Amino acid sequence: DAMVIQNPRYQVTQFGKPVTLSCSQTLNHNVMYWYQQKSSQAPKLLFHYYDKDFNNEADTPDNFQSRRPNTSFCFLDIRSPGLGDAAMYLCATSRDLESWDTQYFGPGTRLTVL
Amino acid sequence: GDSVTQMEGPVTLSEEAFLTINCTYTATGYPSLFWYVQYPGEGLQLLLKATKADDKGSNKGFEATYRKETTSFHLEKGSVQVSDSAVYFCALTAPRGSGYSTLTFGKGTMLLVSP
Repeated sequence: DAMVIQNPRYQVTQFGKPVTLSCSQTLNHNVMYWYQQKSSQAPKLLFHYYDKDFNNEADTPDNFQSRRPNTSFCFLDIRSPGLGDAAMYLCATSRDLESWDTQYFGPGTRLTVL
Repeated sequence: GDSVTQMEGPVTLSEEAFLTINCTYTATGYPSLFWYVQYPGEGLQLLLKATKADDKGSNKGFEATYRKETTSFHLEKGSVQVSDSAVYFCALTAPRGSGYSTLTFGKGTMLLVSP
């Protein structure tokens, strides 16, 4: 089945130690997104790629970076994780950026910062 | 800006009860509307969608109708099951001034169904 895959499902890191989360897709979609979801809150968009074009949300901290080396893969890098960065990180894809395009989500990576 | 307002939870029901989760929105232009479901510890799954006024989205016994006149997209199910226990997010996408659309979520409504 075509899908969005995230690895690992659970990640533990230490305060200030860089961490990378991975997302891959078999849908061949143009757009890939990263969201942060804290407990009992709605997902918050961090940034997205349309093909190789990167779009950062205005309030995304500089501590968060992303890479998309090819159509299938996208990475979220947190350069110096703080305790406030503990959250579920969701990757999503969509075929295009039109308002009617559905976003398909992966299962998420739960990040713990010690 | 765009916004989505959902009823606060938790909504607690007995199995086979009727479910309504209210959702209203504010958006410029002509948004598309979505319901996503999130089971504990999991990512979001698309439940249903509607892309224009009067469209009805339906899936797994859930339904929602895009009502432009009342700016609403209420989620309904005639008979809930214990397995429907989850958090339900109403969301919209609408074109931004920058030319692309992004999802705006409501805060989510937790549904708890007891046997």
